[in-house]
Amino acid sequence: GAGVSQSPRYKVAKRGQDVALRCDPISGHVSLFWYQQALGQGPEFLTYFQNEAQLDKSGLPSDRFFAERPEGSVSTLKIQRTQQEDSAVYLCASSLGVTSYNEQFFGPGTRLTVL
Amino acid sequence: AQSVAQPEDQVNVAEGNPLTVKCTYSVSGNPYLFWYVQYPNRGLQFLLKYITGDNLVKGSYGFEAEFNKSQTSFHLKKPSALVSDSALYFCAVSGGSQGNLIFGKGTKLSVKP
Repeated sequence: GAGVSQSPRYKVAKRGQDVALRCDPISGHVSLFWYQQALGQGPEFLTYFQNEAQLDKSGLPSDRFFAERPEGSVSTLKIQRTQQEDSAVYLCASSLGVTSYNEQFFGPGTRLTVL
Repeated sequence: AQSVAQPEDQVNVAEGNPLTVKCTYSVSGNPYLFWYVQYPNRGLQFLLKYITGDNLVKGSYGFEAEFNKSQTSFHLKKPSALVSDSALYFCAVSGGSQGNLIFGKGTKLSVKP
């Protein structure tokens, strides 16, 4: 079946612009995670959804970052007034269950470049 | 706080030789440990995980990992490396009750013919 998809794959934004990044998880997956991966680093957790409920947003770096999953499937990560330090690859992952030992399935990521 | 460390930025191996990619962890309680592989311009692919039980975990593409509680390690191994194994490998630990992953900084594996 289809894996996790993300769009766009690449996004170039001018500093100060707003961007929206989309994630389509695997159908039926309850849990959805967003991660930020800076160049040469491992992914870092941003936020977690269980169905439509955002249960953890402790990793969001500032109030310019906002995520939603209104119908418990597709999720959008929005970044307002982008800054150069927001340049990174944004990864979405989904997992079938809600336990902490379920493997996560990752999308290809969206590479955001802020000029 | 939960954390993992990958002490090697890069590992170089000749094709056909065994490979080891190192990972150590620091957790409170029982660890749930994972290995992922990342190919260029692609997302992370799950290789294997340790939850409990047998210390030797077998995963995808012939990879295995050995959980060692006394040394707090979870090294990734493969008996015979392939050139196609060249990629970036990440060790991770489950960090919270919801299972968000805490990753190491990654180890670049280079397998030469």
